[in-house]
Amino acid sequence: NAGVMQNPRHLVRRRGQEARLRCSPMKGHSHVYWYRQLPEEGLKFMVYLQKENIIDESGMPKERFSAEFPKEGPSILRIQQVVRGDSAAYFCASSPTATDRGYTFGSGTRLTVV
Amino acid sequence: AQSVSQHNHHVILSEAASLELGCNYSYGGTVNLFWYVQYPGQHLQLLLKYFSGDPLVKGIKGFEAEFIKSKFSFNLRKPSVQWSDTAEYFCAVARVGNQGGKLIFGQGTELSVKP
Repeated sequence: NAGVMQNPRHLVRRRGQEARLRCSPMKGHSHVYWYRQLPEEGLKFMVYLQKENIIDESGMPKERFSAEFPKEGPSILRIQQVVRGDSAAYFCASSPTATDRGYTFGSGTRLTVV
Repeated sequence: AQSVSQHNHHVILSEAASLELGCNYSYGGTVNLFWYVQYPGQHLQLLLKYFSGDPLVKGIKGFEAEFIKSKFSFNLRKPSVQWSDTAEYFCAVARVGNQGGKLIFGQGTELSVKP
């Protein structure tokens, strides 16, 4: 049973380009969480999604960031018109149900904006 | 707002030394508590977790943590560290009943173990 799969592992984008980060949850998991880890900081919650629904996006920046988790396929975190400050590691996690008991994280995507 | 504080940003120890990493949280309700470890270049792995019951919990690789409710603390300990414990350690908290699953992380403690 594969774990939470994220791709790409590393992504380099020029300022102004779009970044698309993918997360395939563990088999049978329909709840996905995205976190961002800025240099020298801990992980910050961004968004929580269930299939086809955004449940909590309280941690998402108001502009340029969006997330989806379609009925079929991986969850996508999209960052439009990237800026240098978006450079970070983005981690995805999944769980089979809504839970307050933690979950399994993927290996992350390290985004570098040049 | 709920927050998690880790007292030490960087800890340097020699092999066989004892380790204690502090973690305090600010939330008056019931919480679930976690310690995660991130080895260089890798993803977060769960070391241990506390939901209820015995406040002293044992995790993988010889780590343990003690939940002291009156102090809002969940400190991580290991009696004798190894070079392979070099990593970053994160404390995290989830409000019980928070079915949204949001974890609040501390800023992390980088542990360097000298051989």
